[in-house]
Amino acid sequence: SYVLTQPPSMSVAPGQTARITCGGNNFGSKSVHWYQQKPGQAPVLVVYDDYDRPSGVPERFSASKSGNTATLTISRVEAGDEADYYCQVWDSSSAHYVFGTGTKVTVL
Amino acid sequence: EVQLLESGGGLVQPGGSLRLSCAASGFTFDDYGMSWVRQVPGKGLEWVSDTSAGGGNTYYADAVKGRFTISRDNSKNTLYLQMNSLRAGDTALYFCAKRRGDWLASPLDYWGQGTLVTVSS
Repeated sequence: SYVLTQPPSMSVAPGQTARITCGGNNFGSKSVHWYQQKPGQAPVLVVYDDYDRPSGVPERFSASKSGNTATLTISRVEAGDEADYYCQVWDSSSAHYVFGTGTKVTVL
Repeated sequence: EVQLLESGGGLVQPGGSLRLSCAASGFTFDDYGMSWVRQVPGKGLEWVSDTSAGGGNTYYADAVKGRFTISRDNSKNTLYLQMNSLRAGDTALYFCAKRRGDWLASPLDYWGQGTLVTVSS
C-alpha cells in the first residue's frame, strides 16, 4: 500500500521557519494536500494541490514538491501554529486516500 | 456557512453494528464528494471511505472493506456510514468531511467535529 512518511515531531522558535517534509513515491503524478490539526479540533486544510492556499490561510503557509518529497513551510512561526500537520494524496493505484504519519510542531 | 454535524456514535460490543450520520448544510450537497476519516485519540488520521457526489462510486480502506458501507441521501443532505462486524480496532473518533470538488484527488476542505465510536465488551 502507498505510504507517506513524515518526521514525528519538530520544535521551532517563534519567528523562525518550520519546514515539514512528506516523503512518498511518484509524487509527480499526485496532488499533495496539507492539514493542520490543533488539540481537540478537527483538521483544517491549509494547502491543497501542492501549493495553493484556501482563503483565510495566512501567506506564512506555503508548500512545494520536488521528486519524492513534498514540503510545508511555515514562515515567521507563531505560538498559534503549534499543531499536528498531515500531508495527504489520492493514490489512484489502490483507489485510496492516504494520509501521512503526521508531524507534531512545537513552538518553543 | 458550511456545517457538517456527525451523530450516531456510541459504545457497541465487538461484532455489533452502528450507523453514523452526517448532516450537511451551507453548500449544494449533491455537487460534492464526501469522505469519512477516523482518528484514534492521540494517533494519526486514517481515511475510511469516500463517495462521489451522486453516490454511484464508493471507495473503502482495506481495513473496513466488506464491513462498512458508505451511502448518502442527497434529498436529505445527509451522509451515512453503516458499520458492521465492529472490532476493538475500529474504536476512534469518526469525522465526516466534504471534498472540495467531485474529482477523486480533491482535498477535504471542510470537516465536522466528529463522533466517537467505542467498541468494547
